[in-house]
Amino acid sequence: KAGVTQTPRYLIKTRGQQVTLSCSPISGHRSVSWYQQTPGQGLQFLFEYFSETQRNKGNFPGRFSGRQFSNSRSEMNVSTLELGDSALYLCASSLTTGDNYGYTFGSGTRLTVV
Amino acid sequence: GESVGLHLPTLSVQEGDNSIINCAYSNSASDYFIWYKQESGKGPQFIIDIRSNMDKRQGQRVTVLLNKTVKHLSLQIAATQPGDSAVYFCAETGYQKVTFGIGTKLQVIP
Repeated sequence: KAGVTQTPRYLIKTRGQQVTLSCSPISGHRSVSWYQQTPGQGLQFLFEYFSETQRNKGNFPGRFSGRQFSNSRSEMNVSTLELGDSALYLCASSLTTGDNYGYTFGSGTRLTVV
Repeated sequence: GESVGLHLPTLSVQEGDNSIINCAYSNSASDYFIWYKQESGKGPQFIIDIRSNMDKRQGQRVTVLLNKTVKHLSLQIAATQPGDSAVYFCAETGYQKVTFGIGTKLQVIP
């Protein structure tokens, strides 16, 4: 079966712009979580969506937002980009919230802010 | 707060030797643990998992050991190969929460 699909793979944006990233979970998975990964910081949790509702949120500013559609696909948006937003953005899907068995990552979107 | 940490940020191993990557966790309520491998430019890839009611689980060339008494998790890779070079993460999961360690970089010396 297809894995978690993230698009685009690479993005270059300038400061002040906004960006939207997409994540399609494994078929049947209804929970999607987003992470930011930077060198030395590891995986920082952004938020989790389940049944089109945000279930959990990490400690990121309001510039970071997301949503989930009825087919479980999710998008995250970053507005007013800053240089420090340059990172690998990963999404992970699992069957349901509250049970992380089968937690599977996508390949990520590499965002570079210049 | 709760955290998952790794004892060694970088591990260099001779090809053919066994590798052991360690992880300490702090949440005694965590009931499921996962090891991931992340190669350069790729997302983390599931390697092996273990539930808290087990203390050992074996896969192909990999073994995960769980010691709940000291909240310690380890990943053993047998006969390490150049293709094993990557960053390895442990993750602990509980209800509605997954916590990752920073990662250990495994370097395999040919």
